[in-house]
Amino acid sequence: GAVVSQHPSRVICKSGTSVKIECRSLDFQATTMFWYRQFPKQSLMLMATSNEGSKATYEQGVEKDKFLINHASLTLSTLTVTSAHPEDSSFYICSPLEGVQETQYFGPGTRLLVL
Amino acid sequence: AQSVSQHNHHVILSEAASLELGCNYSYGGTVNLFWYVQYPGQHLQLLLKYFSGDPLVKGIKGFEAEFIKSKFSFNLRKPSVQWSDTAEYFCAVNAEGGYQKVTFGTGTKLQVIP
Repeated sequence: GAVVSQHPSRVICKSGTSVKIECRSLDFQATTMFWYRQFPKQSLMLMATSNEGSKATYEQGVEKDKFLINHASLTLSTLTVTSAHPEDSSFYICSPLEGVQETQYFGPGTRLLVL
Repeated sequence: AQSVSQHNHHVILSEAASLELGCNYSYGGTVNLFWYVQYPGQHLQLLLKYFSGDPLVKGIKGFEAEFIKSKFSFNLRKPSVQWSDTAEYFCAVNAEGGYQKVTFGTGTKLQVIP
């Protein structure tokens, strides 16, 4: 199956710092990238959708200036949590959509803990 | 807005028992429906999907799901579970076509006892 990597797998940072999460599709091109957030014992919540080379579309309630998404290439997308606060602590999962087969894959997730 | 509910949060079964996990969605129009599975320590992966056609959908590893439009349901079934089916199962729905804006249920943890 397709391989999706996320880096880092877990990160601990101080409140007020920024954290960048990378998502790579290693053996296919992702025309669309979805970013999800999952709080403990809750379901995945879609944060934003981005198409390569375009600005991301954010879901209601998700601050675009806080969660910066860059989808500069068909194999790499980044999510930057700017000025992170403890309430941003969560599990962030990227999900690239492979355009030819229209198959959605998921990354392993990044556990963010903001102290 | 679309929503998904999974009524069983935690299910414990013995090997060879039959499985049915409930999934109901709320949306009046055309929907695409999915079941995803997450094995311990692994990524989410697609188990099966329904876009159109035969409402009885067969997926990987012997799983199937039946779309009953009148009941707004898409229950997941397997006639005989194995220990390796221990995982968390997520139902998901999309009312906007394809994979855009998929809404996930809260998940059901299945534990199969050998």
